[in-house]
Amino acid sequence: NAGVMQNPRHLVRRRGQEARLRCSPMKGHSHVYWYRQLPEEGLKFMVYLQKENIIDESGMPKERFSAEFPKEGPSILRIQQVVRGDSAAYFCASSPLRRSYTEQFFGPGTRLTVL
Amino acid sequence: GENVEQHPSTLSVQEGDSAVIKCTYSDSASNYFPWYKQELGKRPQLIIDIRSNVGEKKDQRIAVTLNKTAKHFSLHITETQPEDSAVYFCAVQGGSEKLVFGKGTKLTVNP
Repeated sequence: NAGVMQNPRHLVRRRGQEARLRCSPMKGHSHVYWYRQLPEEGLKFMVYLQKENIIDESGMPKERFSAEFPKEGPSILRIQQVVRGDSAAYFCASSPLRRSYTEQFFGPGTRLTVL
Repeated sequence: GENVEQHPSTLSVQEGDSAVIKCTYSDSASNYFPWYKQELGKRPQLIIDIRSNVGEKKDQRIAVTLNKTAKHFSLHITETQPEDSAVYFCAVQGGSEKLVFGKGTKLTVNP
């Protein structure tokens, strides 16, 4: 029973390039959440998606960041024209239901380094 | 929006002692309070959670208490072991599905 999968695990980009982070939720889970963790800090919510729908993007920067969760395939977090301040660990989590009190299961994270 | 404060930021205990980490939150509508353990370079893993209709929950050496009136909840680890050393995060979930996390407590258990 595979858990939440993320790839790549490590990603290095130069300033101005694009970063694409992928997340495959646990089997049977249709809700995906993306969080960002800066060094020595807690996780901060970015976006919550269902298949083909963005439910809550209140934590996403207005520019350069976008997310999708297509009908087929993984959820993708896309960062255009990366800057040094984007360097962080990006975690996705999944849950089976849209309901409060439901555990969110985290993936191993993608560690983005912007040179 | 929701604001979660977590204290202390670092905690060092001797093996066998107890450790207590406290969190306060601002939104009285919050109803789910999980605790996550994160080892260096690893994913956060749920260790215990509590819902708003319960005041206390225990799982072996780990317990969580919730005071909804005062809007705070605490993690208690008894008989600490070196493998308990990690960063612990509290989180709060309200009407939206997102989790709002505290800044973490780095726990060190000295043998």
